[in-house]
Amino acid sequence: GIQVEQSPPDLILQEGANSTLRCNFSDSVNNLQWFHQNPWGQLINLFYIPSGTKQNGRLSATTVATERYSLLYISSSQTTDSGVYFCAANSLKETSGSRLTFGEGTQLTVNP
Amino acid sequence: NAGVMQNPRHLVRRRGQEARLRCSPMKGHSHVYWYRQLPEEGLKFMVYLQKENIIDESGMPKERFSAEFPKEGPSILRIQQVVRGDSAAYFCASSPQSYNSPLHFGNGTRLTVT
Repeated sequence: GIQVEQSPPDLILQEGANSTLRCNFSDSVNNLQWFHQNPWGQLINLFYIPSGTKQNGRLSATTVATERYSLLYISSSQTTDSGVYFCAANSLKETSGSRLTFGEGTQLTVNP
Repeated sequence: NAGVMQNPRHLVRRRGQEARLRCSPMKGHSHVYWYRQLPEEGLKFMVYLQKENIIDESGMPKERFSAEFPKEGPSILRIQQVVRGDSAAYFCASSPQSYNSPLHFGNGTRLTVT
């Protein structure tokens, strides 16, 4: 199946800093999503972005499908951005619907 | 428009008991996925169901675990004779079609086995 790798595994920022999280995937995809898991364990859907660029407030994401990577940008970070960010992808070869394979996540800590 | 609803939010069971986790997909969604997240780990796929059918259960442990999605009512993930290693967060997701659509996740059920 598809492999999904995220980097860095851990990231510590001061409030107000910008950051870029990376997701590499091993196969062509028809679905790629970014999630934020907050400290209470809730999984929040940030972007559905199999290709192209999207923006939502201070967050934006870009997927370059031909080169098999996606980037999540966080600008002017806030303490509420802390948590784990997951990238998940579904291969074009997947025969099991929209089943997603998750990366191991990036643990982000934003300090005041 | 309600999202994916999971209940209970927290479930405590003693070793050997049964756990039943429920998931109501978003309105209009007929595809349901179950994932398990062990402590300090990512989410791992367990099973994919459509109404009255199990499509892919390749991620399900071979014993004690079962899932269903009946014609009426929520999807159920059932764990028989729970052990401490079953303690985890169980997430359900739904989608409106098989392909080319995002998955929408519920808030999960946190199972603790004592």
